[in-house]
Amino acid sequence: ELKVEQNPLFLSMQEGKNYTIYCNYSTTSDRLYWYRQDPGKSLESLFVLLSNGAVKQEGRLMASLDTKARLSTLHITAAVHDLSATYFCAVDKSYGQNFVFGPGTRLSVLP
Amino acid sequence: EAGVAQSPRYKIIEKRQSVAFWCNPISGHATLYWYQQILGQGPKLLIQFQNNGVVDDSQLPKDRFSAERLKGVDSTLKIQPAKLEDSAVYLCASGSLRFSGAFFGQGTRLTVV
Repeated sequence: ELKVEQNPLFLSMQEGKNYTIYCNYSTTSDRLYWYRQDPGKSLESLFVLLSNGAVKQEGRLMASLDTKARLSTLHITAAVHDLSATYFCAVDKSYGQNFVFGPGTRLSVLP
Repeated sequence: EAGVAQSPRYKIIEKRQSVAFWCNPISGHATLYWYQQILGQGPKLLIQFQNNGVVDDSQLPKDRFSAERLKGVDSTLKIQPAKLEDSAVYLCASGSLRFSGAFFGQGTRLTVV
């Protein structure tokens, strides 16, 4: 059974700082997705990573995938308050777009 | 492009009552998902459809939950009878076959009292 873990689960950081969120998963997969969820809102797709070594960047966020280590990272550069949200990774468990979500990392960026 | 539409947005029912949620996916998307998201947790897949057929319903509590996808487009999720632990947000999502991930609707927040 595929298990997806994220750490940290809670992250409070100051504006301007850098930090990395980690997503580990337990079985082989080379498709991983990152989503953002604002309080009371639905999930917004951030990144789609479809192969080993894939790296995607959008603004202050950069995501990467290492399928051999079964690890994805979401790196935040020079955080701003607008990035405060919960971030989820989701792994495709069967190459049929069957997603298992991690527990989420609740990020709070403080002024 | 219109997004995934869900209704209602909010629903409060008493335990043992029944409730139904409706979802209209993005036009042309073959895959439709229903997820349950309990407060503070990640979404949990209840059922995945590919066109009319069920791909995965392994985590659907079939004694009380049912879902159908009409003509491979709209879908309804029903709970009968509801329990207190069913209080959650029910998210519908759809996806194409191009590994672009799932696109989520606004969700229905269910409160069972």
